[in-house]
Amino acid sequence: AQKITQTQPGMFVQEKEAVTLDCTYDTSDQSYGLFWYKQPSSGEMIFLIYQGSYDEQNATEGRYSLNFQKARKSANLVISASQLGDSAMYFCAMRGVYNNNDMRFGAGTRLTVKP
Amino acid sequence: GAVVSQHPSWVICKSGTSVKIECRSLDFQATTMFWYRQFPKQSLMLMATSNEGSKATYEQGVEKDKFLINHASLTLSTLTVTSAHPEDSSFYICSARGEILNTEAFFGQGTRLTVV
Repeated sequence: AQKITQTQPGMFVQEKEAVTLDCTYDTSDQSYGLFWYKQPSSGEMIFLIYQGSYDEQNATEGRYSLNFQKARKSANLVISASQLGDSAMYFCAMRGVYNNNDMRFGAGTRLTVKP
Repeated sequence: GAVVSQHPSWVICKSGTSVKIECRSLDFQATTMFWYRQFPKQSLMLMATSNEGSKATYEQGVEKDKFLINHASLTLSTLTVTSAHPEDSSFYICSARGEILNTEAFFGQGTRLTVV
């Protein structure tokens, strides 16, 4: 079974600083994908970044980067130069190869950016 | 990116009635759709997986007779909450997967259901 763990219920960061949101996972699959989503108060799920299990390079998308450490089964999200609009819930998710490719989510981290 | 449209965005219904939520993929064929439920300040919990033309696969603890899922075409899946109760009040959100396995899941906007 797949399991995603986000141990930080809430995080605060000063505007313009960087912040790391933690995510660890457990799976017996050899091939899988790791995702980060942002969920503002409106409820929509906004895709941020994707990392494949066989990707050797850490994924980056603008101010978002994923610190992927496969041996430690961690996929931390790094947000650089935080902006007030980054305040939201952030979910780490994993999709395996089997079971219809369903996506499982961590508990989420609420990020608050302070001015 | 691909667009998934979910309707309605919010609905209020009386206890005992049924509510249907639609999830449409607008510009791609969704072979598989997923339905999630999210209670306030909690994560998304997978309820069921539906494949076009076949019965949905429900997660453990989800009543299939209460949450009816129909995936009649490659662009439409519906979730019907039957005999709704106040405890069914939640945020329901669908996602759709196309043929490329490693792409992001495309999410609908979500439906906030309130049962009074």
